[in-house]
Amino acid sequence: DTGVSQDPRHKITKRGQNVTFRCDPISEHNRLYWYRQTLGQGPEFLTYFQNEAQLEKSRLLSDRFSAERPKGSFSTLEIQRTEQGDSAMYLCASSWALPFEQFFGPGTRLTVL
Amino acid sequence: SQQGEEDPQALSIQEGENATMNCSYKTSINNLQWYRQNSGRGLVHLILIRSNEREKHSGRLRVTLDTSKKSSSLLITASRAADTASYFCATDGNSGYALNFGKGTSLLVTP
Repeated sequence: DTGVSQDPRHKITKRGQNVTFRCDPISEHNRLYWYRQTLGQGPEFLTYFQNEAQLEKSRLLSDRFSAERPKGSFSTLEIQRTEQGDSAMYLCASSWALPFEQFFGPGTRLTVL
Repeated sequence: SQQGEEDPQALSIQEGENATMNCSYKTSINNLQWYRQNSGRGLVHLILIRSNEREKHSGRLRVTLDTSKKSSSLLITASRAADTASYFCATDGNSGYALNFGKGTSLLVTP
């Protein structure tokens, strides 16, 4: 039984660079979610997919953020022109539509210098 | 936006004692979930309680939900050092997809 996996686990980049993170959900799950977590805070919802359709993206933090799930399996989250304020843990989760338990991956910690 | 609020922000107990954490939220919900997060790691799902349920148990965990007060509590009985972590409640706020988390309760269990 494999859980949600994320790659890379850590990413250090310079301001202005683009970064892309990958998430592989639990294989049977049709929903995939992205969250961001900053120090001392709980996770903040960004976007989610049901199969390959991105059903909610209005809470992506800016137009520099985009996500894809091209074949309804893995997903990527891209941040263009990174800023220091983008430094955070980016978490991916997956679930069935019902029941609704979301299972999280280990996260990708982004540091923007 | 963070809808849930956990209380207390930090809790320190000794092994064997019980730990109780509370969560309050603002809008109606379909369900409420509790998660554990060890330092710098991903979240581990603990338990989900639906809005029509009042109490749920899982091992040493007991969760209650009072929708009239918009509050929930998580009780960990006979705590262990390995229970040291941050605990978050998360509600779906009727969206059916987005979880809204509070800032969490930081639990320290000392031997």
